[in-house]
Amino acid sequence: QVQLQESGPGLVKPSQTLSLTCTVSGGSISSGGHYWTWIRQHPGKALEWIGYVFYSGSTYYNPSLKSRVTISVDTSKNQFSLKLSSVTAADTAVYYCAGTADTWFDPWGQGTLVTVSS
Amino acid sequence: QSALTQPASVSGSPGQSITISCTGTSSDVGGYNYVSWYQQHPGKAPKLIIYDVSNRPSGVSNRFSGSKSGNTASLTISGLQAEDEADYYCSSYTSNKTWVFGGGTKLTVL
Repeated sequence: QVQLQESGPGLVKPSQTLSLTCTVSGGSISSGGHYWTWIRQHPGKALEWIGYVFYSGSTYYNPSLKSRVTISVDTSKNQFSLKLSSVTAADTAVYYCAGTADTWFDPWGQGTLVTVSS
Repeated sequence: QSALTQPASVSGSPGQSITISCTGTSSDVGGYNYVSWYQQHPGKAPKLIIYDVSNRPSGVSNRFSGSKSGNTASLTISGLQAEDEADYYCSSYTSNKTWVFGGGTKLTVL
């Protein structure tokens, strides 16, 4: 059973880059069965799809965030990562990593709160 | 891509049935049979309960069912139980090859 776990700083200063990593266990990130996805949940509860990476390295991003987002994969570590540049308070959210097998999201990591504040 | 529209809250008594709607456009909900639903308890990650409009993952109670008509998808929970009290979110694949979520519905079991 595939499980995901997010890790990274919980506090980022405005204008800096947010960096998170998702570690996949219980299965290989290279199996080809999933797109590896980042989703965030703002304090008001709304969920927002950020983008995904395939094990090959191909990516697709939310157009509203595309200019600031990079998602990458490290198959040797069974991890994938999110970088979001030039952050503002509006980027404060709980960030989830998830697997996208087809058109739905499952499994999900437990989520990690990232606060943007000086 | 605008968020899908869900009612902010619904409520029901134990044993009753409730339905949560999720309204989008022909570019998302209406254009694809790729609507999924998620249950989220406080402090927890969302959990998949319905995929591709009406399919239940293994282990999800058959009290949960999904349907779609035009640009509106619906989640029905029958035989309400106390543990069903949670937030529920819909999601749809879109014509932009992205995904969009609903704003979430808080279910209160009276």
